[in-house]
Amino acid sequence: DAKTTQPPSMDCAEGRAANLPCNHSTISGNEYVYWYRQIHSQGPQYIIHGLKNNETNEMASLIITEDRKSSTLILPHATLRDTAVYYCIVRGRGDPTDSWGKLQFGAGTQVVVTP
Amino acid sequence: NAGVTQTPKFRVLKTGQSMTLLCAQDMNHEYMYWYRQDPGMGLRLIHYSVGEGTTAKGEVPDGYNVSRLKKQNFLLGLESAAPSQTSVYFCASSPNRYSNQPQHFGDGTRLSIL
Repeated sequence: DAKTTQPPSMDCAEGRAANLPCNHSTISGNEYVYWYRQIHSQGPQYIIHGLKNNETNEMASLIITEDRKSSTLILPHATLRDTAVYYCIVRGRGDPTDSWGKLQFGAGTQVVVTP
Repeated sequence: NAGVTQTPKFRVLKTGQSMTLLCAQDMNHEYMYWYRQDPGMGLRLIHYSVGEGTTAKGEVPDGYNVSRLKKQNFLLGLESAAPSQTSVYFCASSPNRYSNQPQHFGDGTRLSIL
């Protein structure tokens, strides 16, 4: 069963902020939210992750709602090189049922940044 | 920063041939993984390793073997390649399952079996 729900696609104008939503209504207390992206023909690239506080790094910001049932990845100034499929993944740390540390990639959101 | 390096990047094989894909990481990670990705599909776990000298099966292990003789290297072998194994193969590594630090991926090996 999918743990996250994302829109299949979205467009964004170059230079504008891109706000990517993700629903994870069944998230449990020890599960983190991770964001990856996959640019065509490349390996998945880690972007950011968080537990309950908002996080920011050089690539993006992650806003997690207070009830932790949804989050938003923000690309502050989208460029053409940000065109990619973006994946939102939830995973627990030390989850006893997750002996592999395997990531469950869903379908993701295809983001197209246009000039 | 090398991170996770996969070799080769591309390969074409004939049915029945064998080959080995190499994954190397320089982050001193305990866990390493091999995934495959087919067109329009997500990543599926083939095999994984939780430390040097250990390996285990993932979701789609049939037709593949792996070895982790050194902590930094994880090898994926195809003993007798089949057209159904045409895919893009990704290697990843992570500290261990108790860490919240993310998995890091290589750029993939594109394998075609004719």
